[in-house]
Amino acid sequence: EVQLVESGGGLVQPGRSLKLSCAASGFTFSNYYMAWVRQAPKKGLEWVATISTSGSRTYYPDSVKGRFTISRDNAKSSLYLQMNSLKSEDTATYYCARQLLWVSGVMDAWGQGASVTVSS
Amino acid sequence: DVQMTQSLSYLAASPGESVSISCKASKSISNYLAWYQQKPGEAYKLLIYSGSTLQSGTPSRFSGSGSGTDFTLTIRSLEPEDFGLYYCQQYYEKPLTFGSGTKLEIK
Repeated sequence: EVQLVESGGGLVQPGRSLKLSCAASGFTFSNYYMAWVRQAPKKGLEWVATISTSGSRTYYPDSVKGRFTISRDNAKSSLYLQMNSLKSEDTATYYCARQLLWVSGVMDAWGQGASVTVSS
Repeated sequence: DVQMTQSLSYLAASPGESVSISCKASKSISNYLAWYQQKPGEAYKLLIYSGSTLQSGTPSRFSGSGSGTDFTLTIRSLEPEDFGLYYCQQYYEKPLTFGSGTKLEIK
């Protein structure tokens, strides 16, 4: 069974940093592109980052580019999101997601999410 | 960025009925459109991709249609477990963008 379990969320002050982790199991992690998607309270979904299988290619929307860094450790089947210079608008539940093997950009497995609150 | 619009934020229907949820893209995205379902306490679930291709495990009462800018998710003969939130997403280009969601509730 495919499982994605996020951790590392919490309350953080504006301007500070936080690192999320996602532990993957039930599939060959190194074969898949992975992504982070977030959902602010009472809002819709927003794509945050995507990383290639080797980690050599990463993609971000303008809203987080330069502040967030996605990375992975294939030996540990783990995905990470380093979030720096956090803003109140980064408050959201962050989901780790696996991208469909043969269709780039489609997420076929999701974690339950990690809550991040940016507030003083 | 491609804006995805789900005009109906809320829809109420009864078990056994059929419903359609629409999604409109701000520019043509060919058929690069996916549909997701979220139910309280559960992870998001991919239902359909490429506009009309059912993901493995998606019941056949679900269908997707459309191309270009206008897309529809249809659920025939609603089951109690179908009630929840539905989102469309385009993957034609980055940034990947989602619709605002349609909440399907029991009437």
